[in-house]
Amino acid sequence: NAGVTQTPKFQVLKTGQSMTLQCAQDMNHEYMSWYRQDPGMGLRLIHYSVGAGITDQGEVPNGYNVSRSTTEDFPLRLLSAAPSQTSVYFCASSDAGTDTGELFFGEGSRLTVL
Amino acid sequence: AQKVTQAQTEISVVEKEDVTLDCVYETRDTTYYLFWYKQPPSGELVFLIRRNSFDEQNEISGRYSWNFQKSTSSFNFTITASQVVDSAVYFCALSEASGNTPLVFGKGTRLSVIA
Repeated sequence: NAGVTQTPKFQVLKTGQSMTLQCAQDMNHEYMSWYRQDPGMGLRLIHYSVGAGITDQGEVPNGYNVSRSTTEDFPLRLLSAAPSQTSVYFCASSDAGTDTGELFFGEGSRLTVL
Repeated sequence: AQKVTQAQTEISVVEKEDVTLDCVYETRDTTYYLFWYKQPPSGELVFLIRRNSFDEQNEISGRYSWNFQKSTSSFNFTITASQVVDSAVYFCALSEASGNTPLVFGKGTRLSVIA
């Protein structure tokens, strides 16, 4: 049972480089989201999607792009990485039709921007 | 706008003590959902419970219990007879309306249980 899969798990970038964090889920969930976790800040929402072709901004969207061309995939793109984007990133998905509405998280991707 | 406050940044208890983690929320919606997640030292996020705004019954699951009080906008989490394996960061979260809306998280409470 794969659940939510994030790649890569670790990445080091130089300032100005671009990269994409991949997120895939195999549970046919309509809802997917990206959070970043920083010490003392909890989890802050970057972008989310309620279905293929639909995305919206969260609390901290600047510097990040997303797209949702399929139900399964929700990649997060950093166009020009900055040290302030050093963080742990979590992708999550859920099916609002279930009783619990549980948000399933990936294992996280630790990004360091030098 | 919705907001979740976990005023306790860090708590340290001795094994077998009971501990309560506080969570206070703000929302203008009458329909909303409250969650608790656990993040052990290994880093993954583990779902513990979801409660909707129309169900104020307290919930008990083994050593875990949750006290939902709409009158004080609180959804507190109690661990009875704490164990070292309970050491983790605990997050309270809120989503409004359908439940398919984004979760807003509190900043978390780091619980350390000392043997």
